[in-house]
Amino acid sequence: AQKITQTQPGMFVQEKEAVTLDCTYDTSDPSYGLFWYKQPSSGEMIFLIYQGSYDQQNATEGRYSLNFQKARKSANLVISASQLGDSAMYFCAMKGSQGNLIFGKGTKLSVKP
Amino acid sequence: DTEVTQTPKHLVMGMTNKKSLKCEQHMGHRAMYWYKQKAKKPPELMFVYSYEKLSINESVPSRFSPECPNSSLLNLHLHALQPEDSALYLCASSQGGNSYNEQFFGPGTRLTVL
Repeated sequence: AQKITQTQPGMFVQEKEAVTLDCTYDTSDPSYGLFWYKQPSSGEMIFLIYQGSYDQQNATEGRYSLNFQKARKSANLVISASQLGDSAMYFCAMKGSQGNLIFGKGTKLSVKP
Repeated sequence: DTEVTQTPKHLVMGMTNKKSLKCEQHMGHRAMYWYKQKAKKPPELMFVYSYEKLSINESVPSRFSPECPNSSLLNLHLHALQPEDSALYLCASSQGGNSYNEQFFGPGTRLTVL
């Protein structure tokens, strides 16, 4: 069974600095995908970035990049040049056997001005 | 159109009421999902519809009844709910099948059961 672990309940970062949100995973599937979602206080889950297990390079999307270390089973999200609007809950997730997403417990990021 | 819409945004209901949540997408996605999210917790899967057929039911109580009238619409019928059912209900869609495409989420319905 798949499992996602996020060990940082909350993180603070100064505006314009970079921050890394940790995510480790466990799966016995040789092929899998990892996702990061952002959830502002409004509630909507916003897709940020995806990493496939066979992708040769780490995924990047604008200010978001994924530090994928397959041997360590980690897929940390790096946000560069933090903005006040980045304050939100961040969830790491992977696809379950039925196509659903299995989420970690999330990390609450607070960006300080 | 890459949007998933949900109505209503907020719903307050008594334990004897019957209400429905609605979800709609026009991205041609063939898989649609209902998730329940309690405060400060991750979303938990309730139902999955794949090609308009219910393919998984995570042991959800029968007071929640899903319906998929067509590939673009997903309903969640509520009856005789309990106060502990108060939560954010999120609908999502994806291309379905074995693809690893992301799920697109709607804004959610915040449900309060009195």
